[in-house]
Amino acid sequence: GIQVEQSPPDLILQEGANSTLRCNFSDSVNNLQWFHQNPWGQLINLFYIPSGTKQNGRLSATTVATERYSLLYISSSQTTDSGVYFCAVGGNDYKLSFGAGTTVTVRA
Amino acid sequence: GAVVSQHPSWVICKSGTSVKIECRSLDFQATTMFWYRQFPKQSLMLMATSNEGSKATYEQGVEKDKFLINHASLTLSTLTVTSAHPEDSSFYICSAPKEPGRGFEQYFGPGTRLTVT
Repeated sequence: GIQVEQSPPDLILQEGANSTLRCNFSDSVNNLQWFHQNPWGQLINLFYIPSGTKQNGRLSATTVATERYSLLYISSSQTTDSGVYFCAVGGNDYKLSFGAGTTVTVRA
Repeated sequence: GAVVSQHPSWVICKSGTSVKIECRSLDFQATTMFWYRQFPKQSLMLMATSNEGSKATYEQGVEKDKFLINHASLTLSTLTVTSAHPEDSSFYICSAPKEPGRGFEQYFGPGTRLTVT
């Protein structure tokens, strides 16, 4: 399957700071999604972004498919942004391979 | 966005018993659904693909006789953990693509936390 690497594994931020999370993948993909896993385990869809750039409020994401990486930007971080962020990628079969996640802690 | 539900949210069962987990697509039909497992502090791992009207396909290393999958309708897939043991304790999550053929975005259920005592 497609290999997915996320960095950094852990990120500690002061409230109001900006940050960038990275996702590298080993093959061409038809699907790339960013998720935020809340404390109850629910995966919250942040972006479906196999290529290009999208923005949603304080979050934005860019995927450069030809170079096999994606970036998730968090601006003006808030304590509610804390949690684990997963990148997941997939091909034509709809199966998703998940990265190990980035654990974000935002301190007030 | 599309909604996928799971039932139950959490379940505790005794070693040796079986437990069934349901995954439903609430506002769309899903001919294919996927089951993932997540151990504490780890990432999600794909277990199997559930196909409506046909047999499920399992990922390497997943015991098909232990994790029985039935996809009897276009909106329901069930995962039955048979003869459960403490090592089967995990967080089980299902997903489905809302519009296969028009995009690859997946929607995930809220998960089911299984504890085997």
